[in-house]
Amino acid sequence: KNEVEQSPQNLTAQEGEFITINCSYSVGISALHWLQQHPGGGIVSLFMLSSGKKKHGRLIATINIQEKHSSLHITASHPRDSAVYICAASNNDMRFGAGTRLTVKP
Amino acid sequence: SQTIHQWPATLVQPVGSPLSLECTVEGTSNPNLYWYRQAAGRGLQLLFYSVGIGQISSEVPQNLSASRPQDRQFILSSKKLLLSDSGFYLCAWSPSRLFYEQYFGPGTRLTVT
Repeated sequence: KNEVEQSPQNLTAQEGEFITINCSYSVGISALHWLQQHPGGGIVSLFMLSSGKKKHGRLIATINIQEKHSSLHITASHPRDSAVYICAASNNDMRFGAGTRLTVKP
Repeated sequence: SQTIHQWPATLVQPVGSPLSLECTVEGTSNPNLYWYRQAAGRGLQLLFYSVGIGQISSEVPQNLSASRPQDRQFILSSKKLLLSDSGFYLCAWSPSRLFYEQYFGPGTRLTVT
C-alpha cells in the first residue's frame, strides 16, 4: 500500500461542476501539499497545510490530521482547471501520491 | 522576485553517455534545493536535497549524483546513463524550513535511447 493514496485516479467533469479530490496518507507529516501539473509538465504548488482549511480563489484545501485525510475542492470548475493534481506529504522527506487527472469539459 | 531556471528543457542522450542538468535560483540566498524525477507513468520521486553549499542528501540509491558548487546552483549528474534514467527532472527550492513551501522549476525532459 502506498503511503500517500489519491482518489480518484481520473476525473471528468462538466464546466461549472464542484470537484473533490481526496488524499489519504499513512505517514507522519509536518505538512500536506497540493500541487498542480499542467500538460507541459510544469508544477505549481497550490497549497501547503498542516491543519484546518485554506482557500485561494475557487480552490479550497482541507485537512483532517486525526483521520490522516485531505481534500482539494474546486468550485465552479473551468476547462483551464484541467491538469493533474498531486498530493504530497512532507516530514523529513516528500512522499507523493500518484496524481488525479482532471478533465473539465466545456 | 525569485525565479528558478533549469536547462536544458529537453535532452536526448544515448545509453552510457554522461549527464549534467543545471538548476539555478535567482532572487534569494541560502535556499533549500531539491531534485525530483517523474518517470513515465509514475509519480514524483525525491532524488536529492541540499541545505547548503556542498551539502547533499540522497533519498534513493541510483545512477545519479548531485552537487551544489554555489549557493544558488544545483547540478544533477551521471557518469553513464541507463535507459531507466529517462524521465522528467524537476528542480525546486524552498526559502526556509526543509520541505516547506516549495517552488518548482520548469523541468527537463530526458530521453535515454
